[in-house]
Amino acid sequence: QKEVEQNSGPLSVPEGAIASLNCTYSDRGSQSFFWYRQYSGKSPELIMSIYSNGDKEDGRFTAQLNKASQYVSLLIRDSQPSDSATYLCAVSFSGFQKLVFGTGTRLLVSP
Amino acid sequence: ETGVTQSPTHLIKTRGQQVTLRCSSQSGHNTVSWYQQALGQGPQFIFQYYREEENGRGNFPPRFSGLQFPNYSSELNVNALELDDSALYLCASSLYTNSYNEQFFGPGTRLTVL
Repeated sequence: QKEVEQNSGPLSVPEGAIASLNCTYSDRGSQSFFWYRQYSGKSPELIMSIYSNGDKEDGRFTAQLNKASQYVSLLIRDSQPSDSATYLCAVSFSGFQKLVFGTGTRLLVSP
Repeated sequence: ETGVTQSPTHLIKTRGQQVTLRCSSQSGHNTVSWYQQALGQGPQFIFQYYREEENGRGNFPPRFSGLQFPNYSSELNVNALELDDSALYLCASSLYTNSYNEQFFGPGTRLTVL
């Protein structure tokens, strides 16, 4: 079983819609959760971090964490074509700085 | 605030050669982590340096080694290059804490091994 799992996609949504990206993780000791955006040929860019159960909102982005279900998600409201990228979910353990990444979900937002 | 920088941007080597990649951490950060990202995959943790010492290592052979300098910059060295070492090598800097672990990536070095 992979430590961090994501649907590889592509997830296709029309411009202005809500994109929902999901991630599950296997280790219950995980403490920190991150979403990175990676454009083709570029490096990952941190867009959201979440550490406690519930929702965290930042502009058009909302991260949701459910530790009991070992599930973290990212919602992108009012999706724009510029949001088209691969979204990487990453998880780490308290006191140990290694990030474990999923393989990423490719998002395509059509005009 | 200065972001994470890496050099070189691209590199082409032949099998069996050695390579050194360099990274300067973001200002205010004291920890550098290195990751390898193969095409279509998520980044894989190689190792991390804190206070000039290795602070955790992933499942990579000893021919992958590193250094951290007093100014928190870092090097990744790979000996006896193999074809499978072709990948994007990412450096991430962070401020070491026990609770939070936000890591910020540099632009990466694309290594091609022929």
